Amino acid sequence: NAGVTQTPKFQVLKTGQSMTLQCAQDMNHNSMYWYRQDPGMGLRLIYYSASEGTTDKGEVPNGYNVSRLNKREFSLRLESAAPSQTSVYFCASRSGINSNQPQHFGDGTRLSIL
Amino acid sequence: GIQVEQSPPDLILQEGANSTLRCNFSDSVNNLQWFHQNPWGQLINLFYIPSGTKQNGRLSATTVATERYSLLYISSSQTTDSGVYFCAVAEWIFNKFYFGSGTKLNVKP
Repeated sequence: NAGVTQTPKFQVLKTGQSMTLQCAQDMNHNSMYWYRQDPGMGLRLIYYSASEGTTDKGEVPNGYNVSRLNKREFSLRLESAAPSQTSVYFCASRSGINSNQPQHFGDGTRLSIL
Repeated sequence: GIQVEQSPPDLILQEGANSTLRCNFSDSVNNLQWFHQNPWGQLINLFYIPSGTKQNGRLSATTVATERYSLLYISSSQTTDSGVYFCAVAEWIFNKFYFGSGTKLNVKP
């Protein structure tokens, strides 16, 4: 049972390069989330998707775009990477926006931008 | 957004000791979770507890939603309990999640 799978696990980019982080879940969850975690801090919500076909901004959306490709997959794109986007990125999924169920997290993508 | 404050920020324990971690939040919530982030960076669900009390082995949690706080109890701590403990809450309408800055726990043998 894979749960939430993120790819890649590590990536180094140069300033100005673009990249897409992939996330897939196999739990038939409706809601999916992207977070970033900076050193010594908690997670901050970038974007979320309450259900297939919808996306909404979170706390720190600037510099990012997302695509809910289908029910299973939710990708995060950096169009022009900046050093301030160096972080660990986590994807999460949850049964539904109004469900009494917890979030489940992937193992994270460690992204460094030089 | 909702402000989430966790205390203490750092905690050092001797193996076998008990501890209480606190999470205060600034507004009404309909979702509260406690996570453990292990030294490898993985986030492990501990409790989904928007209200009431739950127990799982040596861990238990209590949320008093009307007073806007939650407590995580760790009894008979083990070195494997080391890591960072996060509290995350979500508001009623938008269901956006907000994390606290965490409590970093170091359990020494």
